[in-house]
Amino acid sequence: GAVVSQHPSWVICKSGTSVKIECRSLDFQATTMFWYRQFPKQSLMLMATSNEGSKATYEQGVEKDKFLINHASLTLSTLTVTSAHPEDSSFYICSARGGLLGFYSPLHFGNGTRLTVT
Amino acid sequence: RKEVEQDPGPFNVPEGATVAFNCTYSNSASQSFFWYRQDCRKEPKLLMSVYSSGNEDGRFTAQLNRASQYISLLIRDSKLSDSATYLCVVEGAGNQFYFGTGTSLTVIP
Repeated sequence: GAVVSQHPSWVICKSGTSVKIECRSLDFQATTMFWYRQFPKQSLMLMATSNEGSKATYEQGVEKDKFLINHASLTLSTLTVTSAHPEDSSFYICSARGGLLGFYSPLHFGNGTRLTVT
Repeated sequence: RKEVEQDPGPFNVPEGATVAFNCTYSNSASQSFFWYRQDCRKEPKLLMSVYSSGNEDGRFTAQLNRASQYISLLIRDSKLSDSATYLCVVEGAGNQFYFGTGTSLTVIP
């Protein structure tokens, strides 16, 4: 089945530094990938839609200059949290649609990145 | 009105019980429907796609009611390992996916 790999699985960084998270579709091409954030005991919140070869579409309230998204190839999207602060500590998850069903294929999620900013 | 509404629960059921979750959606033009399972501190994992005719996978049955705009998930003979949060996901137009808030299930020994 379709596999989405996300790296790193967890990261601890100091306030003010930047963190890059990678999301790869391993066995299919993904023109669109999605980035989410999830705080403890809360729902997944869509942050942005990453489109291969073009600018990402950000959800309302998500700062595009803080959460930089690059989707340079059909199998890789990256999310960079710039100048991270403790309030950015969260579980970041990517997803992509892929599979033999084409249009009706489900979303497949990466294993998530747990970010802790100290 | 939210695109997808889901009862957050929690549902606490004894082992062996049958439990059902519903999820309603607002856009009648929605194309695809899915149930995901999310364990604590993990990513969501696909449980089942939901087809118009309904579909079953072992102890799990998913149904779609387009007229009333809801999807359901039935779990029979609940196991302790079924304890998780169950998310419904509905695809609207333009590659947009809408998530329910998730329903928390705890199966009690």
